Amino acid sequence: SYELTQSPSVSVSPGQTASITCSGDKLGDKYVCWYQQKPGQSPVLVVYQDHKRPSGIPERFSGSNSGNTATLTISETQAMDEADYYCQTWDSSIFYVFGTGTKVTVL
Amino acid sequence: QLQLRESGPGLVKPSETLSLTCSVSGGSISTTGDYWGWLRQPPGKGLEWIGSIYYSGSTYYNPSLKTRVNISVDTSKNQFSLNLTSVTAADTAVYYCARDHGRNSFDYWGQGTLVPVSS
Repeated sequence: SYELTQSPSVSVSPGQTASITCSGDKLGDKYVCWYQQKPGQSPVLVVYQDHKRPSGIPERFSGSNSGNTATLTISETQAMDEADYYCQTWDSSIFYVFGTGTKVTVL
Repeated sequence: QLQLRESGPGLVKPSETLSLTCSVSGGSISTTGDYWGWLRQPPGKGLEWIGSIYYSGSTYYNPSLKTRVNISVDTSKNQFSLNLTSVTAADTAVYYCARDHGRNSFDYWGQGTLVPVSS
């Protein structure tokens, strides 16, 4: 089976940059997307196909993917960005696989 | 605006079958290129994909659940459904339905429904 590993938690000060990583074997060969999930709410897609942002997602959310690691970067982090973040990848043999999740705390 | 809504029993007993339906509004479930999925999240834990279906009826399932899962679609009602058999307490989770717009990611989600498995 295929696994995606994320750091359990990341802390960031308001206005600073948060980087959330997602690791998997040859992950750079696959597309990665990212979801934001706030307590009691459904996940929201914030980045798809490595670096694309859905309509309505602020420009401060950006993504990259290379080698074995994908990264979600939140620039000028705001208090409203405090949430759990999940990476997810897909290919024709494993279908959809989610990362373990990262809790982002804005201190 | 596309909306998805899960519905089904609020409690399932161990060894029984969990059945949920996702009603889609604001768009057609038969849209070319759209795939419809079921996902779940145990309390305090991460997300898990269960399976997906295309309006034609083509399905694909998480290998770890494949022997217990069946997903079907009713295009006339703009709905798709999940059956998960032989449930145990480990199947207690919030169950979500969601759409993949052909980009291998889920861009619209239902609000989720908590399904406890308990006698």
